[in-house]
Amino acid sequence: DTGVSQNPRHKITKRGQNVTFRCDPISEHNRLYWYRQTLGQGPEFLTYFQNEAQLEKSRLLSDRFSAERPKGSFSTLEIQRTEQGDSAMYLCASSLPAGEKLFFGSGTQLSVL
Amino acid sequence: QKEVEQNSGPLSVPEGAIASLNCTYSDRGSQSFFWYRQYSGKSPELIMSIYSNGDKEDGRFTAQLNKASQYVSLLIRDSQPSDSATYLCAVKIYNQGGKLIFGQGTELSVKP
Repeated sequence: DTGVSQNPRHKITKRGQNVTFRCDPISEHNRLYWYRQTLGQGPEFLTYFQNEAQLEKSRLLSDRFSAERPKGSFSTLEIQRTEQGDSAMYLCASSLPAGEKLFFGSGTQLSVL
Repeated sequence: QKEVEQNSGPLSVPEGAIASLNCTYSDRGSQSFFWYRQYSGKSPELIMSIYSNGDKEDGRFTAQLNKASQYVSLLIRDSQPSDSATYLCAVKIYNQGGKLIFGQGTELSVKP
């Protein structure tokens, strides 16, 4: 399978714990995006990378969220001190350079108890 | 005002009818427009893109763009039950880098 891969598919955690998600983009795609989606809403932009450089981070994103893409390949999204409001589907997408078609992974469903 | 707005629906049409989905956007710097389809529990997939005013047809799908009115629509002809999904409008804004801004989505239900 050469699509966008996200792990884990589901994560249940207790409030206050840290969680980390991983995204492996399509190999030739140098752009990688993170979005968050809650029920009944469209995907909300969180951040994106071009190669290893983080080009933009949503101003709505708190300091508890951090993303990395250390070698320009896979990316991780960490949420520290999780809150119940962080419960959502976290979607990763990738695209070709200046490409406009985003390919989405299956997402990681986070539930914070 | 949200940057991209859609009616959340649900929109219900009978099988074989034309489904019309609408989207408005607020930033006149918007340059590229996309329709994604999302089945329940699945991730979004691109079905149409449009960049200039007018209509663009692809099979049973037609995207329409009117930049003066800041309006983009998606028509689905001969709707099938398999078209039942949430349709997301997305916009790329010229001075906001490469990210897409999504609307909240319109849920479409096609009844047999």
